Parts: sequence; C-alpha cells; structure tokens
Amino acid sequence: EVQLVESGGGLVQPGGSLRLSCAASGFTFSSYDMHWVRQATGKGLEWVSAIGTAGDTYYPGSVKGRFTISRENAKNSLYLQMNSLRAGDTAVYYCARDIGRGYFDLWGRGTLVTVSS
Amino acid sequence: QSVLTQPPSVSEAPRQRVTISCSGSSSNIGNNAVNWYQQLPGKAPKLLIYYDDLLPSGVSDRFSGSKSGTSASLAISGLQSEDEADYYCAAWDDRLNGVVFGGGTKLTVL
Repeated sequence: EVQLVESGGGLVQPGGSLRLSCAASGFTFSSYDMHWVRQATGKGLEWVSAIGTAGDTYYPGSVKGRFTISRENAKNSLYLQMNSLRAGDTAVYYCARDIGRGYFDLWGRGTLVTVSS
Repeated sequence: QSVLTQPPSVSEAPRQRVTISCSGSSSNIGNNAVNWYQQLPGKAPKLLIYYDDLLPSGVSDRFSGSKSGTSASLAISGLQSEDEADYYCAAWDDRLNGVVFGGGTKLTVL
C-alpha cells in the first residue's frame, strides 16, 4: 500500500528538541521531493520544509535555523529535527509527497507536537 | 497572515454551485501552478485539483479549478453535505522559495 506514516510527536518543553520521522512505503521514495507541513489546532496549513531528491533543502523564515529536514533513502524515511522549540510550533505535523513544486499527492495522517511547560 | 488570500467561509444550499477564490501575486499564482486541497474534519488534507485545473483520479468532476493572472478559483457544483470541509489553495512562491498556502475556506452546505 502506498502510504506515509509519521511518528515521533509528543510533549516537549519550550527550548527543547524533537525528531519527527516519516516512513514511506509502496513507492520509490528516493524519486520524490518530500515536505513537512504543519497545522495548529483550528488554524490553516503552514509549509515547514522541503527536501529534494538530491538532498537540497528549503525552509520558511519561521523555522530556518531551528529545523532541519533530512532523508535516508535506504530506509525510505524522512526526518525533521526540531530544535529551540517554541509554543508557536505546537501543531500536527504532516509529511507529504511532492509531484511538482507544491503539488502534494500523498499525505500522512500527521503526528502531534505540543510545546508546553 | 497567509500569503494567499481566501475567504474564511462560504455557504450554499445543496445541489447549488459555490466558488472559492484564492488571490496571490506574480511570485506565486502568477508564475506557478495552483493546487487545491480538501480537508475533512479530523482528517489529513487531500489533493483536489492540481496544476490549476486538473482532477486527480478518483476526484468527482463536480470539482473544477481555474486561474487567471494572480488569482485562482475552485468551483463545486451539485453541492452535497459530504462536501462540508476546509479548502486550501497552495502554490510555489519564487520569492520565498517555498510553498505558500491560503488561509483556508470553510464550506458549509446549508
């Protein structure tokens, strides 16, 4: 089955770190750009990061310098290392498969990250 | 404040037609494809329209997309109760070098 499954979410204190994972199956993971998108409760979608097939990475200003996206093609896995977490980073984090510059044809179910003391 | 602008909510009666607008700029909609996502309550987003006006396999042809200049629209005809959801437009932004989303539009079928 073609799917993405996120894991690694949880409760973390402000200033702390967390590493999210996204396990891909049913398709050739290495052939696709991959993204992380988040959604705070009751809010809209916010793009968090992207990684190309060649390992090139992209971030919005809100997370640049704090978050790092990476991939391990041998394990069909996508990661998001989140450091210096803030309350505003509290959200459900989705991984998504990119067919072409923001055309996400496959999404995971998401993993909840809560930043609170 | 989202880079792409959508109305927060729209409503229409069953079997009618509704449109949702998405306004951007030359660095995003004006120069890149627009994609639309449907998010049912408690679910992950789902691709609804890609490359401005194309329907993915399995999506009802009651949904259609269009684009003109720096604006795009999603139209839903023959409204059904199961269409109640949040709808998001998205596009690549050349200036920000990333994906930008609209703030989302909540559709209510009266």
